[in-house]
Amino acid sequence: GAVVSQHPSRVICKSGTSVKIECRSLDFQATTMFWYRQFPKQSLMLMATSNEGSKATYEQGVEKDKFLINHASLTLSTLTVTSAHPEDSSFYICSPASPSGGRNEQFFGPGTRLTVL
Amino acid sequence: ELKVEQNPLFLSMQEGKNYTIYCNYSTTSDRLYWYRQDPGKSLESLFVLLSNGAVKQEGRLMASLDTKARLSTLHITAAVHDLSATYFCAVARGGGATNKLIFGTGTLLAVQP
Repeated sequence: GAVVSQHPSRVICKSGTSVKIECRSLDFQATTMFWYRQFPKQSLMLMATSNEGSKATYEQGVEKDKFLINHASLTLSTLTVTSAHPEDSSFYICSPASPSGGRNEQFFGPGTRLTVL
Repeated sequence: ELKVEQNPLFLSMQEGKNYTIYCNYSTTSDRLYWYRQDPGKSLESLFVLLSNGAVKQEGRLMASLDTKARLSTLHITAAVHDLSATYFCAVARGGGATNKLIFGTGTLLAVQP
């Protein structure tokens, strides 16, 4: 399957600070990146979709000014949680996609666990 | 709005027994996925089902898809402890060449010796 990395794997920060999460698609060019989050003991929820070189599209209820997504290259997308608060504590997972890569399998990064104190 | 429901939410099984997890979805889709998640980990891809009547098997797991009923099943045969995990189904939303997935609620499977 696709090789996807995320950094950091785990981060603890103080309330009010910003945290940047990197997602790298290591073995194919991701024209699209999906960002999901998962609260404890819950399912995954799609937060936003970004296309390389374009602005991200956010799902209903997700604040675009709080969750900044940059998808400047085909191998790197970043999610920045600005002014993080304890309710933002969650597991954030990226999922790259490419039309040329086929529509079938959809792989996920290893995730970043964010804890906001 | 596409909604995906799984049942049961929690399943405690004895080793050697068989059971089925059900995944219902509310609107038409041409792709359904099953994933496994271990505690503290991300998702591991199990199956992709692309057409009505599709059946795929890997080891003790078998997945099927009935697009007319909007139902997929994940059948576990002769469960072993290593299968203990949370299992998610996910349905592709919208068309296009990329896979925007809506996830089911998840089924926490605990296989007891």
